[in-house]
Amino acid sequence: GQQLNQSPQSMFIQEGEDVSMNCTSSSIFNTWLWYKQEPGEGPVLLIALYKAGELTSNGRLTAQFGITRKDSFLNISASIPSDVGIYFCAGQPGGTSYGKLTFGQGTILTVHP
Amino acid sequence: KAGVTQTPRYLIKTRGQQVTLSCSPISGHRSVSWYQQTPGQGLQFLFEYFSETQRNKGNFPGRFSGRQFSNSRSEMNVSTLELGDSALYLCASSSTVNTGELFFGEGSRLTVL
Repeated sequence: GQQLNQSPQSMFIQEGEDVSMNCTSSSIFNTWLWYKQEPGEGPVLLIALYKAGELTSNGRLTAQFGITRKDSFLNISASIPSDVGIYFCAGQPGGTSYGKLTFGQGTILTVHP
Repeated sequence: KAGVTQTPRYLIKTRGQQVTLSCSPISGHRSVSWYQQTPGQGLQFLFEYFSETQRNKGNFPGRFSGRQFSNSRSEMNVSTLELGDSALYLCASSSTVNTGELFFGEGSRLTVL
């Protein structure tokens, strides 16, 4: 089945640094999404991308939908301690997929104050 | 607006038993999806329901089943539990628009002994 390769698997950074993570797929997706999960909670949607080449920001977060529709990246600028968590990319093929998303393995982000 | 509510939050079962998990979606959301999250396999799609009908199904054995009621609440059932079924089971709801934007609950943590 479809698989998403997300990298890096983990990141240890200092507060104030910028962060970049990406996701690649062997298949095309119509929608790319980025979620964040904190301990004891379910994933929370950060950004959704709907068009190839689209660049979308949400505060200090910026994400892009790759022009090949097989990749996406997420940048976090000026990281703060509350950015700690696991970040997941997810792709939706479109059509009748609706709630059927394929998730990456996640990037564990640790921010040192 | 209340979020997605899952019950129970934690449960312990033994091999061979069966379990039923419950999910109440966000008010107005008619689509409910279920995911299994494990350290080894990550987030895996189980199935999705809309208007009491299963719309999509993941690659899980028939021991995993679900249903949706007329008020959009959903349940999933796992019969003949195996040790490998230990996982966090996440429910997510979404609106009728096919955007892939899911709103997750906090999950039900199942431990099989």
